[in-house]
Amino acid sequence: SSELTQDPAVSVALGQTVRITCQGDSLRSYYASWYQQKAGQAPELLIYGYNVRPSGIPDRFSGSSSGNTASLTISGTQAEDEAAYYCKCRDSNGNHVVFGGGTKLTVL
Amino acid sequence: QVQLQEAGPGLVKPSQTLSLTCTVSGAAIGGNGFYWNWVRQHPVKGLEWIGSFSPAGIFYNPSLKSRVTISRNLSQNQFSLSLTSVTFADTAIYYCAREAWDLQDAFDVWGRGTKVIVSS
Repeated sequence: SSELTQDPAVSVALGQTVRITCQGDSLRSYYASWYQQKAGQAPELLIYGYNVRPSGIPDRFSGSSSGNTASLTISGTQAEDEAAYYCKCRDSNGNHVVFGGGTKLTVL
Repeated sequence: QVQLQEAGPGLVKPSQTLSLTCTVSGAAIGGNGFYWNWVRQHPVKGLEWIGSFSPAGIFYNPSLKSRVTISRNLSQNQFSLSLTSVTFADTAIYYCAREAWDLQDAFDVWGRGTKVIVSS
């Protein structure tokens, strides 16, 4: 299968920790990358490879992977983290890109 | 600093062809190490990969392959998207984005996106 499955919506209390997951067979072969998209903006790269954050991304964002599941964890969630989060991977043959359906994070 | 900028008509009539261009500055699209992609986002929905090119070839989303062509103009450092026989379902924000091989194929640079409405 070339699909990536995400929960459509997750909520978290301010300051707490939340985990957003992404499931798909291609995650057994390829790393996921994670993107944050705030309303009206283009997506922004948050995490790639084995838990690597681009310059400027706060260290409260972290990634992990096990088997067919990749996870994005936000520790000490801030109000400004309210956004949609997408995972991305290459499909099993490596030629095509697949995005998860996205998870809308609400910070309570 | 690498920047991508999409351009094209904001309104296209049903059955016509949608044509967009992505102008890249700060990096050469003809070089190795990157895929150059088109991605779209339907209103209030998720991201959909349209296709990409690199020195390895041109690849399309199988669900759109019959209607999509991606081409490149190395002298202008631009790449383009052509989507034929558009319908209302092609209304979306269209992004161009760079995918870096040395970042485990992460999309490290995105354009700001251009909104395309299909309407008669």
